[in-house]
Amino acid sequence: GAVVSQHPSRVICKSGTSVKIECRSLDFQATTMFWYRQFPKQSLMLMATSNEGSKATYEQGVEKDKFLINHASLTLSTLTVTSAHPEDSSFYICSASDRFYGYTFGSGTRLTVV
Amino acid sequence: GENVEQHPSTLSVQEGDSAVIKCTYSDSASNYFPWYKQELGKRPQLIIDIRSNVGEKKDQRIAVTLNKTAKHFSLHITETQPEDSAVYFCAAREGGNKLVFGAGTILRVKS
Repeated sequence: GAVVSQHPSRVICKSGTSVKIECRSLDFQATTMFWYRQFPKQSLMLMATSNEGSKATYEQGVEKDKFLINHASLTLSTLTVTSAHPEDSSFYICSASDRFYGYTFGSGTRLTVV
Repeated sequence: GENVEQHPSTLSVQEGDSAVIKCTYSDSASNYFPWYKQELGKRPQLIIDIRSNVGEKKDQRIAVTLNKTAKHFSLHITETQPEDSAVYFCAAREGGNKLVFGAGTILRVKS
């Protein structure tokens, strides 16, 4: 079946630094990548949608200059949290979409900003 | 945009009993409704889904029903087991292929 590899699984960074999260679709081409954020005991909130080779579409209230998304190829998308602050601490998870497999989630990244 | 409401927020059942979780959606154009099970710190796992041209789907102990007129869909788990304990999310696919998730239901199966 479809697999999306997400790295890192956990990261701790200092306030003010940037963190890059990577999602790769291993055995299929993801036409679309969705990026979600999930705070403890809450639902998955869509942050942005990206299609290969084009700019990401951000949901209302999500700062595009803070959460940089790059979808350079059909198998790789990255989310960079710039100038991270403690309130950015969360579980970030990607979901790749294609016509055959539907939605395939990465394993998630637990970001802690100290 | 789409809005999905999910109830109840928590559900405790005795092992062997049935569990039902209900969701409503707002966008009549939504056409795909998956259910996910998520364990703590893990990715959501698709357990069953239904498309708008189908009213019911079953997979062993799990079933989903869809009422397009009322815009609601439900997850039914029969003969619950302790390993069914997790957080369950419903979702609806709106235009643009986006999934909008419900708030989640914490299911506890007591043995």
